[in-house]
Amino acid sequence: ETGVTQTPRHLVMGMTNKKSLKCEQHLGHNAMYWYKQSAKKPLELMFVYNFKEQTENNSVPSRFSPECPNSSHLFLHLHTLQPEDSALYLCASSQGLRGRGTEAFFGQGTRLTVV
Amino acid sequence: DQQVKQNSPSLSVQEGRISILNCDYTNSMFDYFLWYKKYPAEGPTFLISISSIKDKNEDGRFTVFLNKSAKHLSLHIVPSQPGDSAVYFCAATKSNFGNEKLTFGTGTRLTIIP
Repeated sequence: ETGVTQTPRHLVMGMTNKKSLKCEQHLGHNAMYWYKQSAKKPLELMFVYNFKEQTENNSVPSRFSPECPNSSHLFLHLHTLQPEDSALYLCASSQGLRGRGTEAFFGQGTRLTVV
Repeated sequence: DQQVKQNSPSLSVQEGRISILNCDYTNSMFDYFLWYKKYPAEGPTFLISISSIKDKNEDGRFTVFLNKSAKHLSLHIVPSQPGDSAVYFCAATKSNFGNEKLTFGTGTRLTIIP
């Protein structure tokens, strides 16, 4: 399998649940990202990992907790979410080389609904 | 404050004609610009990019134009095909940051009418 794969594709969870989103990339990239897309808003960068180290946390609430065990896998652990957290969560990867301006490759996203 | 703006939420174009999607940015530090295309139920896919040292980049039916003085870029698709119907996102970054700071617009939904 190639590219960036996200599971699950759809998730419905209650506000007291704990769940995790998974992302896997088979492109040999060194940087991985979580983005959030809410209705009628631009994609918002949440977290960046470069060579497994978190290099960016874009003021994301602590109820979202990322984990990057290796450069091919990225998780987003969710707990005590709010209904306004319902959105499309997109994972992306890139070569992660500074100064190159290389494009990011996106997964298909997880459509999260918090009830 | 939205640094990348796509002021047209939707655009309809006849098949075979030219589609022009517009994007404006406010941050003069941006020096690398990208267009992504998104189909329903899929993630965005990279389409074409342009560095600020150029004012035009062409790839097949797709051409991106950059007007730095106006802080404006546009994507031209010619001829437009039904498969081009999708949401198009403009994104910008400062290339020193690689892709860590991609700032996206809200997207324009393009519909190609057969």
